[in-house]
Amino acid sequence: GQQVMQIPQYQHVQEGEDFTTYCNSSTTLSNIQWYKQRPGGHPVFLIQLVKSGEVKKQKRLTFQFGEAKKNSSLHITATQTTDVGTYFCAGTLQGAQKLVFGQGTRLTINP
Amino acid sequence: DAGITQSPRHKVTETGTPVTLRCHQTENHRYMYWYRQDPGHGLRLIHYSYGVKDTDKGEVSDGYSVSRSKTEDFLLTLESATSSQTSVYFCAIGTGGLGTEAFFGQGTRLTVV
Repeated sequence: GQQVMQIPQYQHVQEGEDFTTYCNSSTTLSNIQWYKQRPGGHPVFLIQLVKSGEVKKQKRLTFQFGEAKKNSSLHITATQTTDVGTYFCAGTLQGAQKLVFGQGTRLTINP
Repeated sequence: DAGITQSPRHKVTETGTPVTLRCHQTENHRYMYWYRQDPGHGLRLIHYSYGVKDTDKGEVSDGYSVSRSKTEDFLLTLESATSSQTSVYFCAIGTGGLGTEAFFGQGTRLTVV
């Protein structure tokens, strides 16, 4: 079954509202990566988190890696129409050589 | 974007026929991966390669085989296509192992009728 769970599956917001997607693993992760896929496009790498409790920011995007390295979140402040797309987390399971993707959160925005 | 080309971009094939998808890279990256993307499942790893003639299975490898005879090319073959293999297939490349960032190709939309 799916080892990396991502919620919500869909999120619709008004432009300017904040957005958060959550990623949870049943097992400890070596690292977590986040990707964005625009409609009709391919996944594009955004960032990688490796350390327990790590927080990284990219302009309006804030990425967190949980203390137990089992969960992660992506928060977008004041969404813009250019943020539309599906956001995927992907984790490497500790002791494994496999990058496992979550199901993704599809973000749509009402301008 | 990284130099990755997938071909064909679209294909419709009949159940029971063999199909080969090609991934070509110009980056000389060691690692290459094949994923399939289906609604509600995200991206699932089919097979990956960590060098010429070195391949291994991913999560959903049944019904698929791969070959890598050159660094730049990674082929995915559906030996006998089934309707359950209708999907969007993405090739990705990476500089390191499976824990390093992946650069994706444009995808191949395969329909098995």
